[in-house]
Amino acid sequence: DTGVSQDPRHKITKRGQNVTFRCDPISEHNRLYWYRQTLGQGPEFLTYFQNEAQLEKSRLLSDRFSAERPKGSFSTLEIQRTEQGDSAMYLCASSLAGVRETQYFGPGTRLLVL
Amino acid sequence: AQSVTQLDSHVSVSEGTPVLLRCNYSSSYSPSLFWYVQHPNKGLQLLLKYTSAATLVKGINGFEAEFKKSETSFHLTKPSAHMSDAAEYFCVVSDGAGSYQLTFGKGTKLSVIP
Repeated sequence: DTGVSQDPRHKITKRGQNVTFRCDPISEHNRLYWYRQTLGQGPEFLTYFQNEAQLEKSRLLSDRFSAERPKGSFSTLEIQRTEQGDSAMYLCASSLAGVRETQYFGPGTRLLVL
Repeated sequence: AQSVTQLDSHVSVSEGTPVLLRCNYSSSYSPSLFWYVQHPNKGLQLLLKYTSAATLVKGINGFEAEFKKSETSFHLTKPSAHMSDAAEYFCVVSDGAGSYQLTFGKGTKLSVIP
């Protein structure tokens, strides 16, 4: 399978714990995006990278959230001191940079904070 | 600023009858428009994409959408619904004006009755 992969697929944690998610994009794609989807809503943009540079961050991305993309390949999204409101599906997408680009999504990581 | 309004949160059709999922958008620029589908516990899959070429766009699984600039609409249709079409459908806009983030509608849940 050469699509976008995410790990883990499910994560249950207790409030206050730190969690880290990983995304592996399609191999030739230079842009990588993170979105968050809460129940009954469409995904909302969090941040994106072009190669290793983080170029845009949403106001949704509080200072407890940090994302990295070392070497411009896989990316990690870390949430520190998790809160119950962080419970959501975290989606990763990748694309080949272009004005009319298409983003391809991974299966997501579902986070439940107890 | 860009936004998307999906006019129906839930649509129910009988198998073999036409499907119509309605979407209106707002964009300051010449937008790219997408429809994505999300089956339960699966990732988002691209159905089709409009990028300023032909206004009638054909997608996978018999779906198509028509871009109507005067009405700022991008409705999704299919002549004959199949049981496997039951899923959540998202209308998505990207105006590409210095930002490549996607803005999703809230989704339309399609139910197909046998």
